[in-house]
Amino acid sequence: EVQLVESGGGLIQPGGSLRLSCAASGLIVNSNYITWVRQAPGKGLEWVSVIYSDGKTYYADSVRGRFTISRDKSENTLYLQMSSLRAEDTAVYYCASRRSQLLPFDSWGQGTLVTVSS
Amino acid sequence: DVQMTQFPSTLSASVGDRVTITCRASQSISTWLAWCQQKPGTAPKLLIYKASNLESGVPSRFSGSGSGTEFTLTINSLQPDDFATYYCLQYNTYSYTFGQGTKLEIK
Repeated sequence: EVQLVESGGGLIQPGGSLRLSCAASGLIVNSNYITWVRQAPGKGLEWVSVIYSDGKTYYADSVRGRFTISRDKSENTLYLQMSSLRAEDTAVYYCASRRSQLLPFDSWGQGTLVTVSS
Repeated sequence: DVQMTQFPSTLSASVGDRVTITCRASQSISTWLAWCQQKPGTAPKLLIYKASNLESGVPSRFSGSGSGTEFTLTINSLQPDDFATYYCLQYNTYSYTFGQGTKLEIK
């Protein structure tokens, strides 16, 4: 069974940086597709970023150039490095994986809350 | 980027009703469309993938259809557990897009 556990959220000032982690068990992060999705308080879901098994990465326009997705083979952990944070980045951030290329995702973490405020 | 327009934004229905939610894509996405359900304070749950494929463990009262730019999620015989928010998601391109969501409320 795949389990994903996000961590690293918290309160950060505008313009600051934060790194989120997504620790995985039941799958090998380095050879799997994992995506980040966020949800601002009371709002809908927004896709943020994805890393494929071949290492290719893609980002939503709203975060491109400010967020970087990466992975650590030894820790079996995915990261989302966030910089130049804005109030509109305030959200619960989820990581998610999939068992098949036919799906966008099927396993999710519990989410970690990022609050950008002075 | 592909834009997804989902409607209605809110839907009031009763237990036992049949409801339909629609998503339209700004360009053809073939059948790379998923539907997920979210309840407050929890992560989304995948219901349908590739437009019409039921995810394992999801009740058969849920069904999806469509291709190209227009897609529907139908829930037959609504159960109390079905009152939640539903989102469509296109994953045809490398930049995914969610619909705005439909909140299904008890009438």
